[in-house]
Amino acid sequence: DTGVSQDPRHKITKRGQNVTFRCDPISEHNRLYWYRQTLGQGPEFLTYFQNEAQLEKSRLLSDRFSAERPKGSFSTLEIQRTEQGDSAMYLCASSLLVGAQYFGPGTRLTVL
Amino acid sequence: KQEVTQIPAALSVPEGENLVLNCSFTDSAIYNLQWFRQDPGKGLTSLLLIQSSQREQTSGRLNASLDKSSGRSTLYIAASQPGDSATYLCAVGERLTFGEGTQLTVNP
Repeated sequence: DTGVSQDPRHKITKRGQNVTFRCDPISEHNRLYWYRQTLGQGPEFLTYFQNEAQLEKSRLLSDRFSAERPKGSFSTLEIQRTEQGDSAMYLCASSLLVGAQYFGPGTRLTVL
Repeated sequence: KQEVTQIPAALSVPEGENLVLNCSFTDSAIYNLQWFRQDPGKGLTSLLLIQSSQREQTSGRLNASLDKSSGRSTLYIAASQPGDSATYLCAVGERLTFGEGTQLTVNP
């Protein structure tokens, strides 16, 4: 399967812990996006990369959040000092420069 | 700030019915519009992409239209099937702004 993959699929952590998620995009896609989705809502944009450059960050992305795409391939999203309000589905998508976004299965984070 | 609204929030229909899902957006200067389906607890599956210069796209039993001047898009599903049951999301822009979705149930 050459679609977008995310790891882990589920993460349960205690408040105050750090967590890191990984996204592997479709191989020829140069854009990679991170979104967050809470129950009953549509996804909300967090940040995106074109190749290795992070081009935009939403105001939703507090200082506790950081994302990287070091070689323009996979990306990581780290949340430091997790809070219960961080509990959500974290979705990754990739696209060509101009084109449809294709989403991965998501990582469901539960902060206890 | 772009806002996207989807109507209705939920829809229940008998199998075989043709149906229309609506999406409206406030800023007509959009890059493109994309329709997705989402099954419970899963990621999003791309259904159709309409670029800003296009007026409609078709894929199988699905047809999506775009009217930028009025800030509206519709997704038409022909001959609905129980397997079409899911939440349908409309999103606009380069960094996608999503509506809250229409939860569709197709009853056998």
